Amino acid sequence: QQQVKQSPQSLIVQKGGISIINCAYENTAFDYFPWYQQFPGKGPALLIAIRPDVSEKKEGRFTISFNKSAKQFSLHIMDSQPGDSATYFCAASKRAGSYQLTFGKGTKLSVIP
Amino acid sequence: KAGVTQTPRYLIKTRGQQVTLSCSPISGHRSVSWYQQTPGQGLQFLFEYFSETQRNKGNFPGRFSGRQFSNSRSEMNVSTLELGDSALYLCASSPGASGGKETQYFGPGTRLLVL
Repeated sequence: QQQVKQSPQSLIVQKGGISIINCAYENTAFDYFPWYQQFPGKGPALLIAIRPDVSEKKEGRFTISFNKSAKQFSLHIMDSQPGDSATYFCAASKRAGSYQLTFGKGTKLSVIP
Repeated sequence: KAGVTQTPRYLIKTRGQQVTLSCSPISGHRSVSWYQQTPGQGLQFLFEYFSETQRNKGNFPGRFSGRQFSNSRSEMNVSTLELGDSALYLCASSPGASGGKETQYFGPGTRLLVL
């Protein structure tokens, strides 16, 4: 049972464009939604995270939009740069006291000059 | 501060063998989680340790086990290796003070190949 569904699997965006990655979850007990960025040969690194009491969070060029009623959240990367080329994972965790993250399958982003 | 370190970085084993992977968390961090990453299944949670106690466990068979030492360093063990255990094994550490709401910092992983 895939509890967090992520799309698209891959994404090609031109430099300066907007990259949009979507995730949907099933378990309403999830209450923490981070996004991770992973470069080849490296472990995932936290980009930005949101809780369900907030509909949007922005940090620099990265924005998370959250729709609690639809059980969906998305990552927007504004002014995408070639250095943003990486695999992005959305994730969710259920409750305080638990570091157990449920990950989406990942989106491989390629930003072309 | 040094990041999360994992040893070894690469490992080749044959079916039926066992393997032990090591993780040293960021200094001062008390929570260590382990994840398995494969192309087919993605990132899957194995288990989490806090102050030498297993706090959560994912849906993996009993061949997968772990432990945490008093200095917060952690090891995971896989016995009777199967071809499907070939994966990148990632360790993540967190301070552990507020339980689940802090950033998890991942190490570079150990790439295990089972032949």
